[in-house]
Amino acid sequence: DAGVIQSPRHEVTEMGQEVTLRCKPISGHNSLFWYRQTMMRGLELLIYFNNNVPIDDSGMPEDRFSAKMPNASFSTLKIQPSEPRDSAVYFCASSLQGLTTEAFFGQGTRLTVV
Amino acid sequence: EDQVTQSPEALRLQEGESSSLNCSYTVSGLRGLFWYRQDPGKGPEFLFTLYSAGEEKEKERLKATLTKKESFLHITAPKPEDSATYLCAEWITGGGNKLTFGTGTQLKVEL
Repeated sequence: DAGVIQSPRHEVTEMGQEVTLRCKPISGHNSLFWYRQTMMRGLELLIYFNNNVPIDDSGMPEDRFSAKMPNASFSTLKIQPSEPRDSAVYFCASSLQGLTTEAFFGQGTRLTVV
Repeated sequence: EDQVTQSPEALRLQEGESSSLNCSYTVSGLRGLFWYRQDPGKGPEFLFTLYSAGEEKEKERLKATLTKKESFLHITAPKPEDSATYLCAEWITGGGNKLTFGTGTQLKVEL
């Protein structure tokens, strides 16, 4: 398996624009996680899905952030409108089942909002 | 406030010089304590999950232990390839699941 695949690897956008980050989890994994990493706040769990259903989105910072998982092999994290303080590395991870099983991370998307 | 504190922030070791990294966690409601390794420009790589005080897990030169208020990652005879940032995270319950990461220990192992 190719592992967790995220796209794009890098994204530069202007403030106010919509940004969509994409993730393909490992085939057969039932849980998917979105994280954000910054120097100031470290690694934060934003939202996670079990069997395509959002289980906990308490980490999503604002209503400008939304995540979807339309099927078992694809998820998106959308920011609309984007702001400079959203600049960070966004990671997607997947696991066989929730937090009790090993999570595999993608390479991340480095987002810069100017 | 839930808090995970890692120390030291940075550690420089000579090859073969064993040491330990510390992770202090929120005491009540712990469901699991995770250790990850992160190399520059990459996503974290899972190392261990510990569930109860007294538990120990090993992988090559790494051993993770858990007490009632902290966890240690022991590195025995490290090599330069062990250089990375090591992150710990607590998973607690009570009002839902919550996963909180520490800010990490940046380890550099020199020849």
